[in-house]
Amino acid sequence: AQSVTQPDIHITVSEGASLELRCNYSYGATPYLFWYVQSPGQGLQLLLKYFSGDTLVQGIKGFEAEFKRSQSSFNLRKPSVHWSDAAEYFCAVGEDTSGTYKYIFGTGTRLKVLA
Amino acid sequence: DTAVSQTPKYLVTQMGNDKSIKCEQNLGHDTMYWYKQDSKKFLKIMFSYNNKELIINETVPNRFSPKSPDKAHLNLHINSLELGDSAVYFCASSQDISVLWIHFGPGTRLTVT
Repeated sequence: AQSVTQPDIHITVSEGASLELRCNYSYGATPYLFWYVQSPGQGLQLLLKYFSGDTLVQGIKGFEAEFKRSQSSFNLRKPSVHWSDAAEYFCAVGEDTSGTYKYIFGTGTRLKVLA
Repeated sequence: DTAVSQTPKYLVTQMGNDKSIKCEQNLGHDTMYWYKQDSKKFLKIMFSYNNKELIINETVPNRFSPKSPDKAHLNLHINSLELGDSAVYFCASSQDISVLWIHFGPGTRLTVT
C-alpha cells in the first residue's frame, strides 16, 4: 500500500532561517505529490504540487519542493522563514484507485518559528 | 465567494446523538470528498462521490452516511455518535475523479462528550 512518511513531528526554526521539511513516499508508479499547510484552526491550503516535468517545483508563499525519485523524497524548502509560516505542514501522494484518485497524507510536521 | 463551505464550523454533542454536517462547493466540480482528521492530526479519506454517486468508501462504520442531493452538495450524517468520532471533518472537491488537485473546505470540529 502507498504511504507517506514525514519523519519530523516538530521543527523549530528562528525567523529568517532556512527551512527544510522532509517527506518520503512509497508508491509503485510515478507519484503525484503535494504539500499542504494548515494554520491553527484553519483548513488546508495547497502550497505546491508535482505531477511531472521539472523536479523543482515552485509554490506559493515562497516555498519550493524538489522531487527526487532515487530517494523517494519530496522535501519542502523555504530560504527565509517568516513568523506567519508557523503551522502544520502535510505531504500527500495522490493514489489511483481504479481511475479514482484520493490522497494519502503524511502525519504532518508542526513548524514553530522563533522571533 | 467561498469555494468549498461547511456548516457548522463547530459541533458539540453528546454520545448517542445523531448529527449532520453540510458541505457545498461552488466550483462546478463533479467530485466531492469527506476526510477525517483525528486528534493526532492524521488525515484520512472517508468517502468520495462523483456526480452524486458513491465511488470511494474507506471502511467507515455504517453509522456514517453521506448524502449527495446534487453534485454541488455532499452532506455527512452520523448516527449514534461515539467519543471516538471526535475529530475535524473536512469536505473537499475536485473537478472530476481523475483530477488530483483537491480543494478543501475549512473543516468542522466535532466534539462528542
